[in-house]
Amino acid sequence: DQQVKQNSPSLSVQEGRISILNCDYTNSMFDYFLWYKKYPAEGPTFLISISSIKDKNEDGRFTVFLNKSAKHLSLHIVPSQPGDSAVYFCAASFTGGGNKLTFGTGTQLKVEL
Amino acid sequence: EAGVTQFPSHSVIEKGQTVTLRCDPISGHDNLYWYRRVMGKEIKFLLHFVKESKQDESGMPNNRFLAERTGGTYSTLKVQPAELEDSGVYFCASSQRMTGSEAFFGQGTRLTVV
Repeated sequence: DQQVKQNSPSLSVQEGRISILNCDYTNSMFDYFLWYKKYPAEGPTFLISISSIKDKNEDGRFTVFLNKSAKHLSLHIVPSQPGDSAVYFCAASFTGGGNKLTFGTGTQLKVEL
Repeated sequence: EAGVTQFPSHSVIEKGQTVTLRCDPISGHDNLYWYRRVMGKEIKFLLHFVKESKQDESGMPNNRFLAERTGGTYSTLKVQPAELEDSGVYFCASSQRMTGSEAFFGQGTRLTVV
């Protein structure tokens, strides 16, 4: 039972363009959402998060959008850079859950020159 | 400030042997988590410590896995006896708060059971 889903295993974009990574969730109790970036042989690195009381959070080139009614969130990277090439994981937690994270399966982003 | 440190980075053991993984969280982080990623799939929660107490161990696969956090500092995860399906990457993470905050991950221990 996959509560957090990333349906696109891979995404390829050109340098300078926008990258849009999508994530869907099924558990209505989730109220905090995070994106992590992972390079090979490294642990996940926190990128950006959003609380369910917001619908948008921006940090530099990274913006996360949350659509609660659709149980959908997305990560926008503008402009994309070659160093952004990595696996991106969507994760979710809920108040009272001890900050336990439920992850999606990840999307491999490749930014091409 | 040092991040989350895990040791060893790689371990190859035979089926039936015992392996102990270690995690040193960020100093001052009371919350420590173990996760596992198997066969390139999603990263799955194993358990959560608050200081030295197990807050949630609902993700532990079976009783061959034993986690400890004596003194509320570093943690160990022991697999005994190891089975082939235990192969994967084991991540440790720590956080300051128990809700609504990011967790910081170590680099992981890649365990291969042959």
